[in-house]
Order: sequence, then structure tokens, then C-alpha cells
Amino acid sequence: KNEVEQSPQNLTAQEGEFITINCSYSVGISALHWLQQHPGGGIVSLFMLSSGKKKHGRLIATINIQEKHSSLHITASHPRDSAVYICAVGGGSEKLVFGKGMKLTVNP
Amino acid sequence: EAGVAQSPRYKIIEKRQSVAFWCNPISGHATLYWYQQILGQGPKLLIQFQNNGVVDDSQLPKDRFSAERLKGVDSTLKIQPAKLEDSAVYLCASSRQVFGGYTFGSGTRLTVV
Repeated sequence: KNEVEQSPQNLTAQEGEFITINCSYSVGISALHWLQQHPGGGIVSLFMLSSGKKKHGRLIATINIQEKHSSLHITASHPRDSAVYICAVGGGSEKLVFGKGMKLTVNP
Repeated sequence: EAGVAQSPRYKIIEKRQSVAFWCNPISGHATLYWYQQILGQGPKLLIQFQNNGVVDDSQLPKDRFSAERLKGVDSTLKIQPAKLEDSAVYLCASSRQVFGGYTFGSGTRLTVV
């Protein structure tokens, strides 16, 4: 069993839909990261969470430490949101443990 | 602040050839990571440096891969000789020593033919 599990693995949505991506982990963590990877390889860090909730633009990330679960929500989705979204745990001088990622396609 | 710089952006080589990747982390970030990401999979840690010392290289195929971080700043990752299965994106990331976020480079896409 992977230490970091993401669901769903793939998601296709229509523009404007509200999207939720889930991440569950089985190890103790100092922080959880949500990363975005577009075709071509580069990774952008969206959020780093250790508790509660963070919001940036149309993106909201939440974490429940007791349940070892995090969600990334995208409101009013847009085709430019199409990417792979990766959940990873760890932080600072700790190596990151990555989920396999979720491929999101938002159709116009 | 400037991001993590990586070069080259793309590289195509034949099997058994050698290749080197370069990474310049964010100034002041003591921890530097090299990750290998095979298509369809999450990144896998190859090596972690703390300043110029190796913290974790347990998943680095040492018979063909080597990495160094001279003076605790820039780092190079070398593959010699390359195999077809080394085709992947090689990502460099850096972070502050104390709890902090990661910054990733744009990656180097390697194709071995």
C-alpha cells in the first residue's frame, strides 16, 4: 500500500464545475503539499499545509490531521486548470513522499 | 526571489552515452533534491543534499548515476552510461533547512533512444 493515496486517478470535468481532489496518507507528517504539474514536466507548488485550510484564488486546500486526509478544491474550473495534481507529504529537510497524481482535464 | 534553475530543458541521447544535468537552487536553501519522474508516475527521490553533504541516496543507482553539490550551492547529476529506462523528467527542488516549502525547477526531460 502506498503511503500517499490520491483519488480519483483521472477526472474530466466541464468548464465551471466545482472539482475536489482527495489525498489520504498513512505516515506521520510535518506538512502536506499540493503540487501542480503541466505537460512538459515543471512542478509548481500550490499549497503547503500543516493544519486547517488555505485559499488562493479559486483554489482551496484543507487538511484533517486526525483523519490523515486532505482535499484540494477548484471552484469555477477552467480549461487552464488541466494538469496533473500531486499530493506529497514531508517538509523542510524531510524528503517528500509523493502520491501518483491525478490527471485533470477541464473541457470548454 | 528567483526560482530553481535547471538546464538543459530537454536532452536526447543514445543508450550508453553520458549526460549531465545542472541545478541552481534558491539562494539560502540548504537542502537540495534530485527526483526522477517516469511518465505516469509520481517523482522518486534519487538523492538529497544538506549543504554539500549527502543525506539520502538510497534510491540512486550508483553503478551509473552520480551527483555532487560542490560548495553547497549548485548541483550536477550525471548518468553514465544511460539506459533506455532512464528516460524520464529529472526534477531538482530546494527547501530551507528548517520547516519550509519546496520550490521545484522546471525539470529536464531526458529521452534515451
